[in-house]
Amino acid sequence: DAKTTQPPSMDCAEGRAANLPCNHSTISGNEYVYWYRQIHSQGPQYIIHGLKNNETNEMASLIITEDRKSSTLILPHATLRDTAVYYCIVRVGTGGFKTIFGAGTRLFVKA
Amino acid sequence: KAGVTQTPRYLIKTRGQQVTLSCSPISGHRSVSWYQQTPGQGLQFLFEYFSETQRNKGNFPGRFSGRQFSNSRSEMNVSTLELGDSALYLCASSKETGGLWAEAFFGQGTRLTVV
Repeated sequence: DAKTTQPPSMDCAEGRAANLPCNHSTISGNEYVYWYRQIHSQGPQYIIHGLKNNETNEMASLIITEDRKSSTLILPHATLRDTAVYYCIVRVGTGGFKTIFGAGTRLFVKA
Repeated sequence: KAGVTQTPRYLIKTRGQQVTLSCSPISGHRSVSWYQQTPGQGLQFLFEYFSETQRNKGNFPGRFSGRQFSNSRSEMNVSTLELGDSALYLCASSKETGGLWAEAFFGQGTRLTVV
């Protein structure tokens, strides 16, 4: 599975968009980009995933660059409850769930 | 629908003892994975079970083992506990369609403290 690089921490003002970047320059053609988040002391929560097209759901948008070497998770209107560690994961969608999580980005949403 | 249920939520054990943790996946999910989370090492993959068979395994000593039952419920066991085994143990279940999984759902975890 491809390695990802994320900034260790970011701040965002409440109500503003939070843009979390992720670099995955060694991604392969059949690898997906997944995002999870973990709020303190809870299990990680699935947010969104994509292969090469931009994706949007009720929680967030995922923008993947054309060369697929980087992506951005966008929380359109961040709230205090979005304060969490966000994990960007790149892996194939088969072979079972054996995902390796990196250190992630700690997002602080401030009032 | 009910989420992933892990029991117990908290556990205190003594060094040298063994412990068994339980995970009930979401109905219809046949894949169950286990993770260990510590402040120093982050989230580390332990193993994954699918249809009662261990399909993937992380880099943990043989003291860590698991199994899955025919109803997809899973247990993990840690023998000869060490202080360093103190951690949050998380279970995740996922559903595969045609061999492709899209997302995994995590339980709240079992916090194990070894004294």
